[in-house]
Amino acid sequence: QKEVEQDPGPLSVPEGAIVSLNCTYSNSAFQYFMWYRQYSRKGPELLMYTYSSGNKEDGRFTAQVDKSSKYISLFIRDSQPSDSATYLCAMRAFYENNRLAFGKGNQVVVIP
Amino acid sequence: DVKVTQSSRYLVKRTGEKVFLECVQDMDHENMFWYRQDPGLGLRLIYFSYDVKMKEKGDIPEGYSVSREKKERFSLILESTSTNQTSMYLCASSLGRLGQPQHFGDGTRLSIL
Repeated sequence: QKEVEQDPGPLSVPEGAIVSLNCTYSNSAFQYFMWYRQYSRKGPELLMYTYSSGNKEDGRFTAQVDKSSKYISLFIRDSQPSDSATYLCAMRAFYENNRLAFGKGNQVVVIP
Repeated sequence: DVKVTQSSRYLVKRTGEKVFLECVQDMDHENMFWYRQDPGLGLRLIYFSYDVKMKEKGDIPEGYSVSREKKERFSLILESTSTNQTSMYLCASSLGRLGQPQHFGDGTRLSIL
């Protein structure tokens, strides 16, 4: 079983819809969770960063962590064509200072 | 804002050539990383460094080496390139404190002919 599973998509939604992305993981020691956004031919850009369980909101973006189910989610409200990108989840164990475990990324297309 | 700068956006080389990929960060980060990103395989860690002159192998170090002579600069070296090293190479950096996120450069798309 891979450490982090992420559906690669692509996920196509109409402009204004809510985008829902998720990752599941197997390592119960993961405690730091990140979402990155990657535009075509660019590097990943840190979008959201959360610690342990709960929700975090930043503008149109909400990150959720459910450690009991080993499941994290990213929601994008009022999606825009500029949100079209690949979204990668990443996570780190509480004892790990360096290594991140990444999902393979989920491509999102917002149709005007 | 953190800035991670990779020296080249696109490179085309021939098999057997030696290639240096340079990465510089401006935030005094202790940790620096080299990844390659391939369709269907995601991001894979090649090497990382947690201090000057220190390095550790990642998941796929074969065919690569690294150098970190200064804190802000981390170089990836491909001693003798092969076509299977055609990929997007990404550099990242992070603070040395536990749990800090990594910040990425824009990548170098390397093609080996």
